[in-house]
Amino acid sequence: GESVGLHLPTLSVQEGDNSIINCAYSNSASDYFIWYKQESGKGPQFIIDIRSNMDKRQGQRVTVLLNKTVKHLSLQIAATQPGDSAVYFCAENIPYGGSQGNLIFGKGTKLSVKP
Amino acid sequence: SQTIHQWPATLVQPVGSPLSLECTVEGTSNPNLYWYRQAAGRGLQLLFYSVGIGQISSEVPQNLSASRPQDRQFILSSKKLLLSDSGFYLCAWSRIKRSSTDTQYFGPGTRLTVL
Repeated sequence: GESVGLHLPTLSVQEGDNSIINCAYSNSASDYFIWYKQESGKGPQFIIDIRSNMDKRQGQRVTVLLNKTVKHLSLQIAATQPGDSAVYFCAENIPYGGSQGNLIFGKGTKLSVKP
Repeated sequence: SQTIHQWPATLVQPVGSPLSLECTVEGTSNPNLYWYRQAAGRGLQLLFYSVGIGQISSEVPQNLSASRPQDRQFILSSKKLLLSDSGFYLCAWSRIKRSSTDTQYFGPGTRLTVL
């Protein structure tokens, strides 16, 4: 389950370094995963997704890795830029959850990029 | 391409006053529509979803209601606001699929402050 709290985990990286943001998902039956980026005061923005029949998917400067054995998802951002500073959160789809809107969202990690 | 709009962007309302937030989607037809609330430092809480005109499902008991008068319009309402209704309200859409949940795309959000 998710813990309740006002403070998000924070990852601080130097501009130009690679960032790795992790997410532990809850249900071994989850078949689809999404990473979102949310800048302060804005709506979440889709970054990349991956289905459970894949282990890795690459986009522009981003890579998502899925480890179903330990129910772990990671987002790798190459050559992190100041514009990457935001909260990143993952979402998992649990099929046949009885609800049409069955994406479950994590609370997120705040990425801070130092120039 | 598809776009999703929300208004107003910010709103300050007194306790006990009514509420109406509007969400519209362009560039797609027959979408699934969702209302979420996001409290500071917390994950997204699904409030309502709709698979078609006049079809609303509520995820949590609350002081709010939703309506879908047109295919691409989703409205969140309240007759009397509570302090606890303050938060960041997000509308989202997804394509309807028979077998799995599709990516949800979010609007820019409405920041509601109840005083």
